[in-house]
Amino acid sequence: AQSVTQLGSHVSVSEGALVLLRCNYSSSVPPYLFWYVQYPNQGLQLLLKYTSAATLVKGINGFEAEFKKSETSFHLTKPSAHMSDAAEYFCAVPTDSWGKLQFGAGTQVVVTP
Amino acid sequence: DAGVTQSPTHLIKTRGQQVTLRCSPISGHKSVSWYQQVLGQGPQFIFQYYEKEERGRGNFPDRFSARQFPNYSSELNVNALLLGDSALYLCASSLAGNTEAFFGQGTRLTVV
Repeated sequence: AQSVTQLGSHVSVSEGALVLLRCNYSSSVPPYLFWYVQYPNQGLQLLLKYTSAATLVKGINGFEAEFKKSETSFHLTKPSAHMSDAAEYFCAVPTDSWGKLQFGAGTQVVVTP
Repeated sequence: DAGVTQSPTHLIKTRGQQVTLRCSPISGHKSVSWYQQVLGQGPQFIFQYYEKEERGRGNFPDRFSARQFPNYSSELNVNALLLGDSALYLCASSLAGNTEAFFGQGTRLTVV
């Protein structure tokens, strides 16, 4: 069954620095991959999704992710961190044709001035 | 347009009690899924409904049940509450099953 693994439960970055969050999927190329963001005491907001149409996916708030089949990865990046990027980020993959999502454990991002 | 709405936003229950959580999907969305998110973890799949039929069930005990109504809204019921049921319960809706899911703000359930 499909699953995703997020490396690093906590990431601390300086304001203006590169944000890099890692996600690896488990097996065959999935039809979709998602990145969600969760701000404190809120639900999940979709940042971006991979649909096999393009390997480099641009999302909201300046985030983008690159799908690399050779590395089974879908890492999330943002060139310059803002204080408002402090949140928890989840990678997710559907595990059946009905869209049941398997989430990674999440990466908490802290942005320091 | 209104997003996915969940009610109530917060709830405190006593062990052994029963709770019902409600979810209204985005207009036009026929698929509703429920997830449990324990503090410090990623969301775990509980149920999915599409066109009022159960299409998936996660690894949760029979104390958890759900249903979807003709207007596609949904309820999640949990009986005989345990302390370990304390979590954020998230509802997500999508147009069909395997399309992007939009999440509500969640219901924070605390069992004491």
